[in-house]
Amino acid sequence: QKEVEQDPGPLSVPEGAIVSLNCTYSNSAFQYFMWYRQYSRKGPELLMYTYSSGNKEDGRFTAQVDKSSKYISLFIRDSQPSDSATYLCAMSETSGTYKYIFGTGTRLKVLA
Amino acid sequence: DAGITQSPRHKVTETGTPVTLRCHQTENHRYMYWYRQDPGHGLRLIHYSYGVKDTDKGEVSDGYSVSRSKTEDFLLTLESATSSQTSVYFCAISGASGVTNEQFFGPGTRLTVL
Repeated sequence: QKEVEQDPGPLSVPEGAIVSLNCTYSNSAFQYFMWYRQYSRKGPELLMYTYSSGNKEDGRFTAQVDKSSKYISLFIRDSQPSDSATYLCAMSETSGTYKYIFGTGTRLKVLA
Repeated sequence: DAGITQSPRHKVTETGTPVTLRCHQTENHRYMYWYRQDPGHGLRLIHYSYGVKDTDKGEVSDGYSVSRSKTEDFLLTLESATSSQTSVYFCAISGASGVTNEQFFGPGTRLTVL
């Protein structure tokens, strides 16, 4: 079993929809959670960074962490065709660590 | 952009030849990383560096070596390239802001080993 599981998709939604992207994990020691957006043939771009449980909002993006369920989510409101990309989750146990565990990514398509 | 460049961006080489990829940063980040990204496997850590001349292995380090002689440069070398090393290679950095968990990625190098 992988430490981090992420549905590969593709997930297709109409423009304007609310998108929910999710990752589950098995290591209860993870405390830092990140979401990256990766366009085709580009490097991953850090979107959201959260510590421990709770929600964090940045514009149309909301990151949610539920440590009791070992489950994290990224919500995208009013989705746009420009949001079409692969979204990667990543986690680490402590600050100052080299060890980040990545999900394999969910491919999102927002249809105009 | 987080001030990371990678070179070359694309390379085609033959089995058995040595290959060196370069990562250059302008942000004075302490930590530097090399990952490979393959379908179905996501991002996997090859090697990382926590300072000049301080490096260590990641989960898929066999067949790779690294060097960091300056803060801004981190080199990845494939001593004798094999077809299984065909992949997209990403450099990443963290640590300049004091919040070491925010990790920033370069644009990637697409390597094909024939």
